[in-house]
Amino acid sequence: GAGVSQSPSNKVTEKGKDVELRCDPISGHTALYWYRQRLGQGLEFLIYFQGNSAPDKSGLPSDRFSAERTGESVSTLTIQRTQQEDSAVYLCASSLALLYQETQYFGPGTRLLVL
Amino acid sequence: AQSVAQPEDQVNVAEGNPLTVKCTYSVSGNPYLFWYVQYPNRGLQFLLKYITGDNLVKGSYGFEAEFNKSQTSFHLKKPSALVSDSALYFCAVCFQKLVFGTGTRLLVSP
Repeated sequence: GAGVSQSPSNKVTEKGKDVELRCDPISGHTALYWYRQRLGQGLEFLIYFQGNSAPDKSGLPSDRFSAERTGESVSTLTIQRTQQEDSAVYLCASSLALLYQETQYFGPGTRLLVL
Repeated sequence: AQSVAQPEDQVNVAEGNPLTVKCTYSVSGNPYLFWYVQYPNRGLQFLLKYITGDNLVKGSYGFEAEFNKSQTSFHLKKPSALVSDSALYFCAVCFQKLVFGTGTRLLVSP
């Protein structure tokens, strides 16, 4: 079956512009997660969704970052007024349920470069 | 707080030799531990996980990991390394979100 998909695969933008990153989870997966991976570094958790609800937004780096999910499916991560330090690979994952033992399956990521 | 540590930035091994990538964890309560692999310019692929039960967990591509509660470790192993195993390996503990280690680059030489 289809895995997690993300679009665009690459995005180059100018400092100060807004960007939207999209994630299509595996069909039927109720939990969805966003992570950020800076060059040469590990993964940093940003936010998770249980259904369409995001109970904990404390992982978002600043108020320029927001995320939403609709129809318990597609999610978008929006970065407003992008800064150069936002350059990273943004990874989305989904799991069948929001349970600690559930495997999270990752998409290929969106590589964001802010000039 | 939940955390994992990967003490080695890089592991070098010759093809055909056994490999071990180390991971130690710190959790309160029962640990849910995962290993993921990342190939260049690709997302993370799930290898295996420990939830409960048998301490030796078998996963994809011939990898296995041994859960050791007394040493709080979850080392990734493979009896015979392949050049194609060269990649970045992440250990993670799950507590709603996945908390990842810093990653270990595995380099298998021919």
